[in-house]
Amino acid sequence: GENVEQHPSTLSVQEGDSAVIKCTYSDSASNYFPWYKQELGKGPQLIIDIRSNVGEKKDQRIAVTLNKTAKHFSLHITETQPEDSAVYFCAASRGNNFNKFYFGSGTKLNVKP
Amino acid sequence: EAGVTQSPTHLIKTRGQQVTLRCSPISGHTSVYWYQQALGLGLQFLLWYDEGEERNRGNFPPRFSGRQFPNYSSELNVNALELEDSALYLCASSLGAGPGDEQFFGPGTRLTVL
Repeated sequence: GENVEQHPSTLSVQEGDSAVIKCTYSDSASNYFPWYKQELGKGPQLIIDIRSNVGEKKDQRIAVTLNKTAKHFSLHITETQPEDSAVYFCAASRGNNFNKFYFGSGTKLNVKP
Repeated sequence: EAGVTQSPTHLIKTRGQQVTLRCSPISGHTSVYWYQQALGLGLQFLLWYDEGEERNRGNFPPRFSGRQFPNYSSELNVNALELEDSALYLCASSLGAGPGDEQFFGPGTRLTVL
């Protein structure tokens, strides 16, 4: 089955700096890669996703890049703010009828004011 | 529009007991997913229901089971509870079962097994 690895497990940045979280996956058939943000006491919330037919996607301060050859994808947050502090999860899915999502182990991002 | 709701929010059980967790998907969503999130770990896929049928399950023993009702709400049952079952159980729903349909998560049920 799929194996998703996520690094780093914790990340501390100064407000205004950029943060990068990286994930690798093992199943070359995976074609859908969402990123979730989980705040304390809440369920994960989708923040951005990318499909395997594109290499990059941007939404304001958040971007995701995908390298299918190397089987890795990254989340980039620019101009970080204290409210960006949360746990971020990457996931990979084949997107077929199995619809099974494999999640990374999470990155705890702390943005220091 | 109401989001995914789960009940109860917290639960304390002892080893060997049985527990039932409940999930109501977003109105109009037919797919429901269950995940286990143990402390410090990522989300582990448990079960996926769509249109009342179990479509897929993760690598969990048979004492984890569930069902989906005609109104698309769902229950997760865990029998013979073990200490390592202590975790946050998350339910998610999606509009359909198409490739990569966005999953919307509920707040979870925190289960503690003593």
